[in-house]
Amino acid sequence: DAKTTQPTSMDCAEGRAANLPCNHSTISGNEYVYWYRQIHSQGPQYIIHGLKNNETNEMASLIITEDRKSSTLILPHATLRDTAVYYCIVAPNFGNEKLTFGTGTRLTIIP
Amino acid sequence: NAGVTQTPKFQVLKTGQSMTLQCAQDMNHNSMYWYRQDPGMGLRLIYYSASEGTTDKGEVPNGYNVSRLNKREFSLRLESAAPSQTSVYFCASNPGQRGNIQYFGAGTRLSVL
Repeated sequence: DAKTTQPTSMDCAEGRAANLPCNHSTISGNEYVYWYRQIHSQGPQYIIHGLKNNETNEMASLIITEDRKSSTLILPHATLRDTAVYYCIVAPNFGNEKLTFGTGTRLTIIP
Repeated sequence: NAGVTQTPKFQVLKTGQSMTLQCAQDMNHNSMYWYRQDPGMGLRLIYYSASEGTTDKGEVPNGYNVSRLNKREFSLRLESAAPSQTSVYFCASNPGQRGNIQYFGAGTRLSVL
């Protein structure tokens, strides 16, 4: 049973903000929202995670709705190197927990 | 700092052959994982090791065995390879102190003929 729902694909113009949505309506109280990305033929790369407050780091911003049933990953100024598959995952914040990867959103940055 | 290193990068096997995929991390992480990724699919967990000396099955463990040799190394063995095991295999590690953040290797591309 899928714990997150993401669009299959999205396009974004280079230099614009890329906004990737994710629905996680069955998220539990102890689960965080994690985002990873996978550039073609490479291993996945951690981007950001959060519980209920908005988070920002050098790569992206994460906006989580107040009811925690959905979130949006924002890449503020997308570049061609941001073309990748982006995975939204909900999981507890313990170090030895498993991550369940769905099929993600394929983001293509258009020159 | 090499991070997570997987060997080999590519491998071709014949059906029934055996092989071991190697994974080593130099970040002193406690947890390690093996995933497989089939074309157009997300990653599926094969086995994981929460700490040295422990291993547990993931979503798709059949046909595989693992060994957590020490804190650094976590190997995946295919005893009798089958064409259905053609996939890209990724190893990952997790320090366990900053939440569920996993660091991935570059992958091993395995073809079973």
